[in-house]
Amino acid sequence: KAGVTQTPRYLIKTRGQQVTLSCSPISGHRSVSWYQQTPGQGLQFLFEYFSETQRNKGNFPGRFSGRQFSNSRSEMNVSTLELGDSALYLCASSLQEATGQEAFFGQGTRLTVV
Amino acid sequence: GQSLEQPSEVTAVEGAIVQINCTYQTSGFYGLSWYQQHDGGAPTFLSYNALDGLEETGRFSSFLSRSDSYGYLLLQELQMKDSASYFCAVGTNAGKSTFGDGTTLTVKP
Repeated sequence: KAGVTQTPRYLIKTRGQQVTLSCSPISGHRSVSWYQQTPGQGLQFLFEYFSETQRNKGNFPGRFSGRQFSNSRSEMNVSTLELGDSALYLCASSLQEATGQEAFFGQGTRLTVV
Repeated sequence: GQSLEQPSEVTAVEGAIVQINCTYQTSGFYGLSWYQQHDGGAPTFLSYNALDGLEETGRFSSFLSRSDSYGYLLLQELQMKDSASYFCAVGTNAGKSTFGDGTTLTVKP
């Protein structure tokens, strides 16, 4: 079956702009989590959606938001982009809620803010 | 909140055995997972422990002690392709996964 698909793979934006990233989970998976990864850093948790509901949110400013659709596809939006938002954004899907069990990651969207 | 600690770097030679430790602090602990990430790639799932004990999957094994809030990943018969970053991740019953900062494993010939 198809894996987790993230689009776009690469993105260059200017400070102050906004961006929307998309994640299509594995078919049948209802949980989608988003992470930010910067060079040399671990994966910083952004938020997790399960059945269209945001269940958890990490310590990120309100400029970071997301949503999940009825088909489990998820989008995250970052408004008023800052240079520090440059990172690899990863989404992970899992069959059940993100209790730490097996999660499948997409290849990520590499966002560069100039 | 949750916090995890794992070594930042580990170096070993091909054919050797290496252990990567992970200690955690969290409420509502549900399970401990391990992921491998090669440079430029996506993290891939290696193993998951919800109960105390050892889980073995080929050359990789993972151990959990819930009473000690401690786990480790054991890699045997190291190969050059095992050079990567390894992350431990704690899941909670609130449905949140927190990742450690990762351990960079370098395998030398």
